[in-house]
Amino acid sequence: EPEVTQTPSHQVTQMGQEVILRCVPISNHLYFYWYRQILGQKVEFLVSFYNNEISEKSEIFDDQFSVERPDGSNFTLKIRSTKLEDSAMYFCASSEHGDEDTGELFFGEGSRLTVL
Amino acid sequence: AQKVTQAQTEISVVEKEDVTLDCVYETRDTTYYLFWYKQPPSGELVFLIRRNSFDEQNEISGRYSWNFQKSTSSFNFTITASQVVDSAVYFCALSESQYSGGGADGLTFGKGTHLIIQP
Repeated sequence: EPEVTQTPSHQVTQMGQEVILRCVPISNHLYFYWYRQILGQKVEFLVSFYNNEISEKSEIFDDQFSVERPDGSNFTLKIRSTKLEDSAMYFCASSEHGDEDTGELFFGEGSRLTVL
Repeated sequence: AQKVTQAQTEISVVEKEDVTLDCVYETRDTTYYLFWYKQPPSGELVFLIRRNSFDEQNEISGRYSWNFQKSTSSFNFTITASQVVDSAVYFCALSESQYSGGGADGLTFGKGTHLIIQP
């Protein structure tokens, strides 16, 4: 069964460092997303991406965040200068977009970011 | 603004009992979509169901059933004859877009209900 894969599964970084989280969405999907979940809290939308550009973003997705689809398969989330409060589980997701939307958003297993 | 409320933070039942997880939502839109996701201890998010605002038919899938009541803005989830493997955090979510990634603000998730099934 096709799946969304994320790397790394866990990253520990020092405050102020740059972090890149990587995702490989399902190959025929056209919409890509990042969500985050601070430990013990709800899942929050960060950004959606379609046709090589951001289509929507939340208030959380400020200037320190950026996304990129560098090579047609990977979808990355970059955090420029990490803060303690960026510690969270980051979920990548993808969905099929077409005339027959399945309604299902496929999530990866998450990348846990710990900022020290 | 959209909002999803899952008032039950944690529920603990004994295996084989039935359990209902509550979800109440708020939206100004007439067209919207409701979802349930399961997050097992391993952490991934597993899609369970999507329901659009025009379809109030209840849905049953094996031991799972969903009760959508527009009049009370609720989309409750019942597990019949619960099993230990059902232990997880369950999230209810709302979207204004037919595309499950969501509209202007993506999917709006509730805070989740931690379901513990004891053997």
